[in-house]
Amino acid sequence: GENVEQHPSTLSVQEGDSAVIKCTYSDSASNYFPWYKQELGKGPQLIIDIRSNVGEKKDQRIAVTLNKTAKHFSLHITETQPEDSAVYFCAANVFPGGSQGNLIFGKGTKLSVKP
Amino acid sequence: DTGVSQDPRHKITKRGQNVTFRCDPISEHNRLYWYRQTLGQGPEFLTYFQNEAQLEKSRLLSDRFSAERPKGSFSTLEIQRTEQGDSAMYLCASSLGRDGYTFGSGTRLTVV
Repeated sequence: GENVEQHPSTLSVQEGDSAVIKCTYSDSASNYFPWYKQELGKGPQLIIDIRSNVGEKKDQRIAVTLNKTAKHFSLHITETQPEDSAVYFCAANVFPGGSQGNLIFGKGTKLSVKP
Repeated sequence: DTGVSQDPRHKITKRGQNVTFRCDPISEHNRLYWYRQTLGQGPEFLTYFQNEAQLEKSRLLSDRFSAERPKGSFSTLEIQRTEQGDSAMYLCASSLGRDGYTFGSGTRLTVV
């Protein structure tokens, strides 16, 4: 089955610096990799996703890169702000033509941005 | 569209009691998922519906758990004879086809 490892578990940066969170997955058939941000007391919120036919995707200060050969993908946040402080989760899954439809999540990274 | 709604937000129950949670997905979403999240962990998949059909269940979903989605609209998750190990956040998500899930805010269950 699919396994997703996420590092680091905690990350502290100064406001304005960049933050990078890395994930690896085990199933070479995985083809969809979303990233979620979870604030205290709230459900996970999708912030960016990437599919296996793309190597990089960017949305303002957030970017995701995917290396299919190495089976790892990363989240990059530039010019961090205090409101970026949250727990970030990566996930991966396979979406074949059949009925399977669930995401396997990493254990999360608690990002703290110090003003 | 108000997103995915879950009710209640919090539930405290005594061990051995039954509890039921409700999820109202985004109206046009045909897929609905239940996840469980314990402190310091990522969400873990429990079960998945496409319209009214329950297509997949995790090994985590013991016989004490049952989920329904009548008429392909809202869904309920029932836990019978609750145990302390059931204490967790229960998250519901919905999606249209294979694209990104939208999660609700969850129901936090505490079994005392």
